[in-house]
Amino acid sequence: TQLLEQSPQFLSIQEGENLTVYCNSSSVFSSLQWYRQEPGEGPVLLVTVVTGGEVKKLKRLTFQFGDARKDSSLHITAAQPGDTGLYLCAGDPAGNKLTFGGGTRVLVKP
Amino acid sequence: EAGVAQSPRYKIIEKRQSVAFWCNPISGHATLYWYQQILGQGPKLLIQFQNNGVVDDSQLPKDRFSAERLKGVDSTLKIQPAKLEDSAVYLCASSLGASISGANVLTFGAGSRLTVL
Repeated sequence: TQLLEQSPQFLSIQEGENLTVYCNSSSVFSSLQWYRQEPGEGPVLLVTVVTGGEVKKLKRLTFQFGDARKDSSLHITAAQPGDTGLYLCAGDPAGNKLTFGGGTRVLVKP
Repeated sequence: EAGVAQSPRYKIIEKRQSVAFWCNPISGHATLYWYQQILGQGPKLLIQFQNNGVVDDSQLPKDRFSAERLKGVDSTLKIQPAKLEDSAVYLCASSLGASISGANVLTFGAGSRLTVL
């Protein structure tokens, strides 16, 4: 069982549609991070959420941290082919050790 | 600033052979990480260095994997002997330390893809 469970594992949508990716845990995190990874590249940090209930926006991406700081979601509005990639959530529940979820692979078709 | 450099980008070996990967972190980043990412999964931490000391190697298969970070800068990860299940991308990352928010922000290299036949 992974510390961070992501769902769905795979999402295929048409350009212009909306999508939501979830990251859940039974543990409390002081912060959660979201990364995007493209084929052949390393993960790139998108955002860090720190406060329970916090909402952060990055252009068409909206990130939310659960009130209890155990879960987070990523919502993409009007997805574009450039949003295609592997979305990873990561957290550090105890000390200085970042743990990743299994990832959600998103495919946006033109 | 220059990113995290890794080499080689690709390596194909037969089982029981050995392989080494090299990582050069961002200048000034004291913390260096090696992650293993198996196809279709999220990265799994193998080892974490703070300068040239090991902070966490609890998930490193020490019977076949070794890593060092001499002089607290570059690092090498070695696998000897390799098994089929070691086929994965090996990602190196570095960080300056906790940000203002308290979160540790990692910068990753492009990874080294290993195929064991």
